Amino acid sequence: SQKIEQNSEALNIQEGKTATLTCNYTNYSPAYLQWYRQDPGRGPVFLLLIRENEKEKRKERLKVTFDTTLKQSLFHITASQPADSATYLCALAANTGKLIFGQGTTLQVKP
Amino acid sequence: DVKVTQSSRYLVKRTGEKVFLECVQDMDHENMFWYRQDPGLGLRLIYFSYDVKMKEKGDIPEGYSVSREKKERFSLILESASTNQTSMYLCASSYGQSYNQPQHFGDGTRLSIL
Repeated sequence: SQKIEQNSEALNIQEGKTATLTCNYTNYSPAYLQWYRQDPGRGPVFLLLIRENEKEKRKERLKVTFDTTLKQSLFHITASQPADSATYLCALAANTGKLIFGQGTTLQVKP
Repeated sequence: DVKVTQSSRYLVKRTGEKVFLECVQDMDHENMFWYRQDPGLGLRLIYFSYDVKMKEKGDIPEGYSVSREKKERFSLILESASTNQTSMYLCASSYGQSYNQPQHFGDGTRLSIL
């Protein structure tokens, strides 16, 4: 079955460093992949969408890559700040047209 | 900005009760979704709707039903609540005929079934 895997262990980094989160998927070739941010007690908030024919996409300090050969997307936050601390979810479009979400990776940026 | 509003942030109900969770969006979006989110299991799709009075089952529809009488409102119904339905419930909406559009979420309803 189609599966998305994100690192379940929290990622702890120092302020100012680049955070890199990984999203791997199997048994599917999605046409696009989305990234969301979720703060405790809140709903996810859409950040970026990347299509299969786009290798990289940027938005301010955020960068997403999409490698369809490796079946992997990387999500980077450069010059990280404590305010970036949150859980980040990746989601891909299943062949049914629905989104399948990963479990999310929690990022903690220490001052 | 799109606003998706869920009627309650916290709700406590008893086993066997019929429970209604309401969701309203203000951006005239065609698609609306209900998810539940549990630790270790992530977001799982319960039902979705791509038009008024239309609905489709998601991955875990058992024990739930939905209603969409108006475009802006999507209701999730727990026919006879059970303790394993204790969870965070999230409603979302998106624009257009294609499901690749970003989804806009409400802040969730944390439902406890005693």
